[in-house]
Amino acid sequence: QQPVQSPQAVILREGEDAVINCSSSKALYSVHWYRQKHGEAPVFLMILLKGGEQKGHEKISASFNEKKQQSSLYLTASQLSYSGTYFCGTEIGGNQFYFGTGTSLTVIP
Amino acid sequence: NAGVTQTPKFQVLKTGQSMTLQCAQDMNHNSMYWYRQDPGMGLRLIYYSASEGTTDKGEVPNGYNVSRLNKREFSLRLESAAPSQTSVYFCASRWDRNTEAFFGQGTRLTVV
Repeated sequence: QQPVQSPQAVILREGEDAVINCSSSKALYSVHWYRQKHGEAPVFLMILLKGGEQKGHEKISASFNEKKQQSSLYLTASQLSYSGTYFCGTEIGGNQFYFGTGTSLTVIP
Repeated sequence: NAGVTQTPKFQVLKTGQSMTLQCAQDMNHNSMYWYRQDPGMGLRLIYYSASEGTTDKGEVPNGYNVSRLNKREFSLRLESAAPSQTSVYFCASRWDRNTEAFFGQGTRLTVV
C-alpha cells in the first residue's frame, strides 16, 4: 500500500531545481505532499485531486497522472529553507491515507 | 489554537510493559490516523478512524490497539511492548479526503 518515492536523497545548490517522484500500485483518489524538518512534524505543502484540482503552496508545483498512479513534485530555484524530507501521501479510498518512504533534500549554499 | 496534541512527547518502556499514547484534536476533524516513523521506512499507517465510532487497520497494526473515544480523541495502546516498537509515533487528523492532514508533534518511544 505504501507508495514508492524516488530519489531517496538529493543534494542541491541554492538556485538549482529538483523533481521528486511518487508512484503507487493502487488507483489513487488524491496525492498530498508534505515536508518534514528534522525533529519536527510533517507540514502540508499541497494536494492534487482527481480531475486536476490543486490546492496549496505558491512556490512549489506538482503534477498528478491518474492513469499511471504517479505524482511529481517540482522544486524550482531552491532555497536553503527547502531542506528537509519530503513525503507524498496517497488516498486510495475509504479514507485510507498512506505515506511514501520519503526523499531527503539538502540545499547547500 | 492547539491543533493536534499528543502526549507524552517521550517515553521509555521495558519489554512487556503496556502504555497508551494519547491524541486529541480541536479542529472538529472527522478522520484521525496513527503512524510510526522509522529511518528509511517513511511514515507507516498503523490504524485509522474515518469517523467517530469506526476504526480500521493500516499497514502495520500488529501489537497495537486503538480507541476512538469521541470525535476529538484517538488513542493508541501497546499491550506488551517489544523493542521492535521503538519508533517515533505521529497522530494526524483531517476534515475529509479533500483536505490537508495536520500532525501532532510526535511521541518518541524507546522499548528496552
